Amino acid sequence: QVQLQESGPGLVKPSETLSLSCSVSGYSISSNYFEGWIRQPPGKGLEWIGSISHSGSTFYNPSLKSRVTISIDTSKNQFSLKLNSVTAADTAVYYCARDTGGLCHDYWGQGTLVTVSS
Amino acid sequence: QSALTQPRSVSGSPGQSVTISCTGTSSDVGAYNYVSWYQQHPGKAPKLMIYDVSKRPSGVPDRFSGSKSGNTASLTISGLQAEDEADYHCCSHAGSYGIFGGGTKLTVL
Repeated sequence: QVQLQESGPGLVKPSETLSLSCSVSGYSISSNYFEGWIRQPPGKGLEWIGSISHSGSTFYNPSLKSRVTISIDTSKNQFSLKLNSVTAADTAVYYCARDTGGLCHDYWGQGTLVTVSS
Repeated sequence: QSALTQPRSVSGSPGQSVTISCTGTSSDVGAYNYVSWYQQHPGKAPKLMIYDVSKRPSGVPDRFSGSKSGNTASLTISGLQAEDEADYHCCSHAGSYGIFGGGTKLTVL
């Protein structure tokens, strides 16, 4: 079955770069899906971060675009998120998910909490 | 870009029906038939309930239905059950990015 699993540091210092990876199983990310990242600050709603196609085309939230990079490694069936110059406002549960191509998602990872603090 | 507008909370008694709205603009909800709805229980990842405005994934009860009129999408839950109590989020295609609503807390009285 389709599974996604986030991994990465749970604590990042202010001004540094948040880096997360998502390992995918149950389907090939070389197929006709997009892969996406979403975050949810504690007690708040979901925020769309960005998506990447199997060919590497990227789509970013305009409010985060200057700080975000999403990349894909088809050989490892993984994709990654980098968010630079983080502040406390970037503290959130970060989810990776399969994007059906409509820039919304069907399968989600369990999420990983990233706290920005010194 | 602003989040799609959802009511902060809705409630209903077991067996009743409730409808949650998701209002956007002619650049997102009104422009594309790519609206999804998610159910999220506390501490859990969102679960897809409706996609492409009105399609139900396998395994989702037919008590859940979706529709769209103009710039507003709606999720209707009929025959409310205790386990339906959760947060519900909408998502829409917005051209070159996606956008979520602020989320709605459903309370089953």
